[in-house]
Amino acid sequence: EVQLVESGGGLVKPGESLRLSCAASGFTFSSDSMNWVRQAPGKGLEWVSSISGSSSYIYYAESMQGRFTISRDNAKNSLYLQMNSLRVEDTAVYYCARGSVATAGIHYWGQGTLVTVSS
Amino acid sequence: QSVLTQPPSASGTPGQRVTMSCSGSSSNIGNNYVYWYQQLPGTAPKLLIYTNNQRPSGVPDRFSGSKSGTSASLAISGLRSEDEADYYCAAWDDSLSDYVFGTGTKVTVL
Repeated sequence: EVQLVESGGGLVKPGESLRLSCAASGFTFSSDSMNWVRQAPGKGLEWVSSISGSSSYIYYAESMQGRFTISRDNAKNSLYLQMNSLRVEDTAVYYCARGSVATAGIHYWGQGTLVTVSS
Repeated sequence: QSVLTQPPSASGTPGQRVTMSCSGSSSNIGNNYVYWYQQLPGTAPKLLIYTNNQRPSGVPDRFSGSKSGTSASLAISGLRSEDEADYYCAAWDDSLSDYVFGTGTKVTVL
């Protein structure tokens, strides 16, 4: 059974940093592209970033470029999102998700971790 | 502000057929696959349709997707109470190099 479990969310102040983690199991992690998608309270879905299985290809949403860094450790079956210079508008549930967004879609989603940016 | 536009709401009675649209441009829907996601209240999204019109295993055939030009549609036939959810379309956008989601359509079963 595919499982994606996010952790690392919490309350931070504007300008601070936070690192999200996603522990994956139930599939060959190194073979699949992984993604972060977020959803602000009461709002729609917003793609954040994608990374290929070997980390050769990395993409970011324009609004997150330069502040967020996606990475993965295939030996630990883990996906990460380093978020710097956080803003109030980054407040959202962040989902870890498996799949190649452009060619196959996101077939599996974690339950999400809430990040709240507030002074 | 999303580049994929969906009607904010749609509704129907049990058993009816409901459709919803997703309007984009040549840089996204016109040149790439369309995906549809269902998000039940308080839960993570779920893939409903991939590569325009394919259903993952376990998705009932009451759900169907289509694409024409720079627009796409999702249809739900034989509407059921458990279909009450938010539905999002999505596609890769070549100009933005972003994966863009639609604005979302809330389906209400009357």
